[in-house]
This record gives sequence, structure tokens and C-alpha cells, in this order.
Amino acid sequence: SAVISQKPSRDICQRGTSLTIQCQVDSQVTMMFWYRQQPGQSLTLIATANQGSEATYESGFVIDKFPISRPNLTFSTLTVSNLSPEDSSIYLCSVVQGAGGYTFGSGTRLTVV
Amino acid sequence: AQSVAQPEDQVNVAEGNPLTVKCTYSVSGNPYLFWYVQYPNRGLQFLLKYITGDNLVKGSYGFEAEFNKSQTSFHLKKPSALVSDSALYFCAVRVTGFQKLVFGTGTRLLVSP
Repeated sequence: SAVISQKPSRDICQRGTSLTIQCQVDSQVTMMFWYRQQPGQSLTLIATANQGSEATYESGFVIDKFPISRPNLTFSTLTVSNLSPEDSSIYLCSVVQGAGGYTFGSGTRLTVV
Repeated sequence: AQSVAQPEDQVNVAEGNPLTVKCTYSVSGNPYLFWYVQYPNRGLQFLLKYITGDNLVKGSYGFEAEFNKSQTSFHLKKPSALVSDSALYFCAVRVTGFQKLVFGTGTRLLVSP
């Protein structure tokens, strides 16, 4: 299965600023997924990122707030912009290979102060 | 809409006793079902999946799950719980026609010595 390196592992950011999270995969993958896990909650899909096309956002998530880049088949970034305390969450990236081979990054714990 | 339900927020079991964490699903077509575990300050770790074949699926760390089509369930089980099994467990289903996963609300497992 793929190995994902996600950075940073945690950060504390001022409100109004932005944080960019990176995920590097050790193999080429078509789809990458970005999830948010709010405190004490389950994982909610933010968007699906395919290389060479704009990301597909889930209901309730917009590109202006969560811009995503996918410059190649092994890398993606998620930016959480104009931060507010409500954005304090764990953000995870994920990839899928083959039939149901999902792998998750170790997560980025964001605290907005 | 496709979904999974985890009816128990928390399951308490004594070490050495069998454990069950419940999951029911609602999907169109044949389901791809997954169990993940999350330890504090860690990402998601894959336990097992059902795609096709035997209804009893064996996974990591001695866990297993039984796919029951008539009851639309995919309960996670382990014959003898360990204190180190204490963690947050998520059931997930792949959305038919897409690669993205939908997660249940999670069940916290507490294994007492």
C-alpha cells in the first residue's frame, strides 16, 4: 500500500491567516482525498483532487476557503484560508489504490487562536 | 444517500472478554465496507475491509468482521480484548460509483484491565 507523508503534523495559527498542508505519496495515484475531523467528530470529506483538473468539493466546502493544488500524481496541498477558531480540526489526506486500498496520512492538527 | 451508522458512542469491555463494535450500512449496489482505528494523536489505521467473498473477514491485530447482507450490518469483533485496543473505531463505506468514503460517527472502545 502507498505511504503518505503529511506535513505539518500540527500548527497553531492566528485567526485571519492561512495554513497550507502538504501530502506526498510514495507512488503515483489518480485520486487524493482531503478530510476534516472536527474535535470529537467523525471524518468529513472536503474534496477529491485529481491531477490536471480542479478539485471536486463536497457540499458545504468551497474553493475560496479550501483551495487545493494537485500538480502531479504524487503530491497535493490543501490550504485552509482566512482562519477562524471554527477551523480548528484535524485535516487528513487519503489516497486509494486498486480495489479498496485506502491509505491515510498521519493528519495535521490545526489550532486557531 | 449512502451511509453507515455506528449506534454506540462508547463500548466498555473488560480485558480478555470478547468485544463487538456495531456498524450498519445503507448503500445502493454491493457495498465496499471498511473498519479503521484511530489512536490519540495518530492518523487512521486500516483494520479490514469487505469487498466480496467470504462474509467473515479477518484483519489486523486479531480483529474480524462479519458482513451480513440481510441485516445490512458489518460488526467488528475480537475474541479477547486487550487494554491496548482502547481507541476510536470508525466504520466506512465506499460511495457507489465513486471512490470516496463515507464514515460513521465513530465508537470509542474502552478496555479495562
